[in-house]
Amino acid sequence: QSALTQPASVSGSPGQSITISCTGTSSDVGGYNYVSWYQQHPGKAPKLMIYDVSNRPSGVSNRFSGSKSGNTASLTISGLQAEDEADYYCSSYTSSFYVFGTGTKVTVL
Amino acid sequence: EVQLVESGGGLVQPGGSLRLSCAASGFTFSSYEMNWVRQAPGKGLEWVSYISSSGSTIYYADSVKGRFTISRDNAKNSLYLQMNSLRAEDTAVYYCARTGDSGTGYYFDYWGQGTLVTVSS
Repeated sequence: QSALTQPASVSGSPGQSITISCTGTSSDVGGYNYVSWYQQHPGKAPKLMIYDVSNRPSGVSNRFSGSKSGNTASLTISGLQAEDEADYYCSSYTSSFYVFGTGTKVTVL
Repeated sequence: EVQLVESGGGLVQPGGSLRLSCAASGFTFSSYEMNWVRQAPGKGLEWVSYISSSGSTIYYADSVKGRFTISRDNAKNSLYLQMNSLRAEDTAVYYCARTGDSGTGYYFDYWGQGTLVTVSS
């Protein structure tokens, strides 16, 4: 099972919106509404930000939103803040159980 | 408060074995499915293994199948990963992660802080 494809880096200025894509196939992203997103700060454990494509866990800012179209899922961060600078990973359920994305480094300029 | 605390990592020679543990607290451990996820230094996340709440259903990534064994002791609120025939490419931080209980449940809602496994001679 190959990793899902994410851009290596995305950047934006404070207050702007950015979108991170996560491209898979009909066997993973496109086949199930089981996409989740994780934020990871350096040296820290990943943190769940979005589950089931577009659901936000309790406590996660509503500046984070998720969507999906075909084989590509997206995470949008609106009103970018300094603390959003981190690595972000998507994940999808597949027939081989779980696959993660390649990861995207978000830089706040 | 949900807490997951991994232990057991360390330096091991290629071909060696190591047993990781994950101590859970703050929730009813026996009701939740659990996973191991690893991250090689400077690399992305890789799902390793899954175990159902009762321990009756288990899955492994192809990269560890036949070498790693996941297990749990619900009486001790603990998750384990027995790693045998270790290779250099198994070097990673190993996280235990709880399967979520809202919606479909195909995600990880809580993670431990991780334990580093280094396979080197």
